[in-house]
Amino acid sequence: NAGVTQTPKFQVLKTGQSMTLQCAQDMNHNSMYWYRQDPGMGLRLIYYSASEGTTDKGEVPNGYNVSRLNKREFSLRLESAAPSQTSVYFCASIPGGRTDTQYFGPGTRLTVL
Amino acid sequence: DAKTTQPTSMDCAEGRAANLPCNHSTISGNEYVYWYRQIHSQGPQYIIHGLKNNETNEMASLIITEDRKSSTLILPHATLRDTAVYYCIEDNFGNEKLTFGTGTRLTIIP
Repeated sequence: NAGVTQTPKFQVLKTGQSMTLQCAQDMNHNSMYWYRQDPGMGLRLIYYSASEGTTDKGEVPNGYNVSRLNKREFSLRLESAAPSQTSVYFCASIPGGRTDTQYFGPGTRLTVL
Repeated sequence: DAKTTQPTSMDCAEGRAANLPCNHSTISGNEYVYWYRQIHSQGPQYIIHGLKNNETNEMASLIITEDRKSSTLILPHATLRDTAVYYCIEDNFGNEKLTFGTGTRLTIIP
């Protein structure tokens, strides 16, 4: 049981490039989330998916798109990366509709030059 | 915006109890208080949550005041591995969107 996995662990992009961050969970959880964490700051919610086939915006969705491919996978796409998107990105999942425990992945450290 | 208020940083001697306060004066009746921690650059880790009553698990105890406007997370015997940023979060039952503030950076002193 790997929990929540994220790929890649590190990524450097040039301004304007695109990329997709991958997240997968093997716990049969319904809901999945993407957060970003800037240096010295708390986590901010980008997008979340309450169930397979649904997605909703969080606090800071601009510049991102998401896709809930199936129950296991939730990807985050940057269509045209900007230096302001330099951050650590965390994916999380919870069993059902109630946030009693969120399980977080190890994070993806993204630098946009 | 985060609806809770926590001290920016705290120190605690190893082996002593670490008491981390949190103010949530605008909490509504159906909102739980959750505590997570983030060790170094890892993903946050769930610690404990509660509504009205005090709660205890293998990691910590949570003391919630009777008016529910504040709470205290207690790590009974702090170790060096408890050095982390601790987040106190309000959660609206059924609302899946947790809002993380900047938390309290707890440093355990040998």
